[in-house]
Amino acid sequence: KAGVTQTPRYLIKTRGQQVTLSCSPISGHRSVSWYQQTPGQGLQFLFEYFSETQRNKGNFPGRFSGRQFSNSRSEMNVSTLELGDSALYLCASSIGLAGAREQFFGPGTRLTVL
Amino acid sequence: DAKTTQPNSMESNEEEPVHLPCNHSTISGTDYIHWYRQLPSQGPEYVIHGLTSNVNNRMASLAIAEDRKSSTLILHRATLRDAAVYYCILRDGNQFYFGTGTSLTVIP
Repeated sequence: KAGVTQTPRYLIKTRGQQVTLSCSPISGHRSVSWYQQTPGQGLQFLFEYFSETQRNKGNFPGRFSGRQFSNSRSEMNVSTLELGDSALYLCASSIGLAGAREQFFGPGTRLTVL
Repeated sequence: DAKTTQPNSMESNEEEPVHLPCNHSTISGTDYIHWYRQLPSQGPEYVIHGLTSNVNNRMASLAIAEDRKSSTLILHRATLRDAAVYYCILRDGNQFYFGTGTSLTVIP
């Protein structure tokens, strides 16, 4: 069974630009969660989607948004990029809502904002 | 807020048991306790999770205090491959709180 895949793996953008990251969950998984990992803040929860609906949301500004498609694939968008958005963005999938289920993480997308 | 507190680092000798503690004094009654670990340059990997009772799987055991305000991840025989950052995770309202994790060093 293929694992969680994320594209692209590396990305370099400049301040003010926007970026879209993609996540393909494990087949049959309906929940996709997104996390931001930085050396200073550690792993922080962004949001969780289940059956195309955002079910949970972390404390991030509205510049961070996401969506989930009918095939459970998910995209995350960051608009008006800031230097502080440089981070590893991780996506995780689970069969049901992540609170009571095992999550499987992808390798992440390394975003660098110059 | 439901938060977790873990020691920053721990060391263990290879092939000895390791007990990784986590305090979560504000946990709510329905929140599961999750443990993940992260090896360098990889995404986090699921280890175990539980609600009230102690749990065992092929990787580890999870001991949950009766009042659920703390838990302990037990690696029965540490190997060099177990060197990683271990995170104790709770749901905090509508989001998940990872905490800073415990960096485990395994000494050959």
